[in-house]
Amino acid sequence: GQQLNQSPQSMFIQEGEDVSMNCTSSSIFNTWLWYKQDPGEGPVLLIALYKAGELTSNGRLTAQFGITRKDSFLNISASIPSDVGIYFCAGPPNTGTASKLTFGTGTRLQVTL
Amino acid sequence: NAGVMQNPRHLVRRRGQEARLRCSPMKGHSHVYWYRQLPEEGLKFMVYLQKENIIDESGMPKERFSAEFPKEGPSILRIQQVVRGDSAAYFCASSRRGSDYGYTFGSGTRLTVV
Repeated sequence: GQQLNQSPQSMFIQEGEDVSMNCTSSSIFNTWLWYKQDPGEGPVLLIALYKAGELTSNGRLTAQFGITRKDSFLNISASIPSDVGIYFCAGPPNTGTASKLTFGTGTRLQVTL
Repeated sequence: NAGVMQNPRHLVRRRGQEARLRCSPMKGHSHVYWYRQLPEEGLKFMVYLQKENIIDESGMPKERFSAEFPKEGPSILRIQQVVRGDSAAYFCASSRRGSDYGYTFGSGTRLTVV
């Protein structure tokens, strides 16, 4: 099946720094989603991308749909302590039920003051 | 306007017992999805249901696991004769339409099998 690999696996950054993370797949995705999961909670949708090359922002977050359709990137500018959590990319498979999502392995972000 | 409600939040079961996890979708949502998350891993799809129908159960283990979404009441994920490997966080999500990929997740039920 389709797999999504995220890097880095984890990162420690200082408050105020910018963060970049990416998600790659061995096969094409037609939709990319980025979620954030806080400890003990369910994932919350941050950004959805529907078109190759698309660049979308949500506050301090910016995500891009790679032109090969096999990758996506998430940037967080001027990080703050509440950015701590696990960031997952996700997308629906090209075959089977359109509503089923494949999730990436996650990037754990920790912010130090 | 309540979100997706899951209960219980935490569930402890002994090996061999049954676990019943409940999910009430958001108001107006008739599509429900169940995912499982093992420690330090991403979420894995289990099953997709609409009212009274299972649409896709390709992620459900072949034995001991079942799911339903009756006409009235919450969706139920049932695990019979639980084993230690069933310990995980189980998340439910709902959407208004089947094509809404960015659906809303609940806070999950953390199942611990002792």
